[in-house]
Amino acid sequence: SYELTQPPSVSVSPGQTASFTCSGDELTNKYACWYQKRPGQSPLLVIYQDYKRPSGIPERFSGSNSGNTATLTIGGTQAVDEAEYYCQAWDNNTVIFGGGTQLTVL
Amino acid sequence: QLHLQESGPGLVKPSETLSLTCTVSGGSISSSAYYWGWVRQPPGKGLEWIGSIYYSGTTYHNPSLKSRVTISVDTSKNQFFLKMSSVTAADTAVYYCVTPHDQAFDIWGQGTMVTVSA
Repeated sequence: SYELTQPPSVSVSPGQTASFTCSGDELTNKYACWYQKRPGQSPLLVIYQDYKRPSGIPERFSGSNSGNTATLTIGGTQAVDEAEYYCQAWDNNTVIFGGGTQLTVL
Repeated sequence: QLHLQESGPGLVKPSETLSLTCTVSGGSISSSAYYWGWVRQPPGKGLEWIGSIYYSGTTYHNPSLKSRVTISVDTSKNQFFLKMSSVTAADTAVYYCVTPHDQAFDIWGQGTMVTVSA
């Protein structure tokens, strides 16, 4: 079965760039999307179709997908961005989530 | 703007069937523009897709849960449903109903916590 792999944690200082990777076999052939998950809140879609931002998502969130890796980047990270981030893709009519990466803003 | 709201028992006994309802407002559940699904998150763990149902009635399920899961729709009530049989403590989770757009879940319900315990 298809799998998406994410590192468990990322730490950055406020104002720095945070990068999250999501690895899967030939992931570039699928659309990747990203969710922000804060404790006690529903997940929030921040990137879809590799790089598109839903309405209301700040421009500091960007995405890319090439080869076996999709990447979410947060430029100028703020304390409010501290959350867990999940990547997701579809494979043969099934939905696959990565294991999630916890962002700590130091 | 679509709005989703989960409802159902917060406590289910082991070996019994978990039943949840998602009420859709702001749009028609029978529209071909939408399809519907369920995602869960066990405490301290990641997101897990349970399954989806299309307006045609076609359903897709997580292979690891497929034999225990039924997803259905009641167009007259603008609701869709999740039934999961033979639950164990491992099914304790926050359950979300979702609807995707462009292959991403852009609308989520607020989530409902279900605990499996005797």
